[in-house]
Amino acid sequence: DTEVTQTPKHLVMGMTNKKSLKCEQHMGHRAMYWYKQKAKKPPELMFVYSYEKLSINESVPSRFSPECPNSSLLNLHLHALQPEDSALYLCASSQEHSGDAYNEQFFGPGTRLTVL
Amino acid sequence: DAKTTQPNSMESNEEEPVHLPCNHSTISGTDYIHWYRQLPSQGPEYVIHGLTSNVNNRMASLAIAEDRKSSTLILHRATLRDAAVYYCILRDGTSGTYKYIFGTGTRLKVLA
Repeated sequence: DTEVTQTPKHLVMGMTNKKSLKCEQHMGHRAMYWYKQKAKKPPELMFVYSYEKLSINESVPSRFSPECPNSSLLNLHLHALQPEDSALYLCASSQEHSGDAYNEQFFGPGTRLTVL
Repeated sequence: DAKTTQPNSMESNEEEPVHLPCNHSTISGTDYIHWYRQLPSQGPEYVIHGLTSNVNNRMASLAIAEDRKSSTLILHRATLRDAAVYYCILRDGTSGTYKYIFGTGTRLKVLA
């Protein structure tokens, strides 16, 4: 199974709502990632988890709160978002996140988020 | 951070070869060059990667310039299913973060 699944596929939320995005992989990967992709732009890294610990936070606003409950699951908790946060949120995983060897990243299909 | 530069869009006829260029003049010695593609309504998928030597796999070939300041992804026979945005990506080895730095991407249109 080389699949990364993301739920929900689409999400519409108001600026006062709290919601969560979910990502799951069963490839035994120990690194997981959140990316944000605006329309017609490349993905931008938000967070990296390595062995269930947050290893990179690309200065993401605190209204985005990642969580890695176990090695297969990655959540992104959303609170008090702004309309400009509307984007496609992509999750990815790889065997590891290190410079020792090549680690291909496997991406999920994304959650399309609209903030009203 | 090292950066990549790609043409915004390219067109190809079906069954013909396609050469997608990428410039990465600030690449460091430890940066791998990756290519991913993103089909409509999907997440990016791996195509190929290399460090110094040219590489071939079942999907494509990667030609890397001797000075490593540029590379070219070669699709040997484009099909309609190859229509996608192709990203040239460096893995940032100099900062120790090993994060992917995506280029702006080339939107490939394949004409029947």
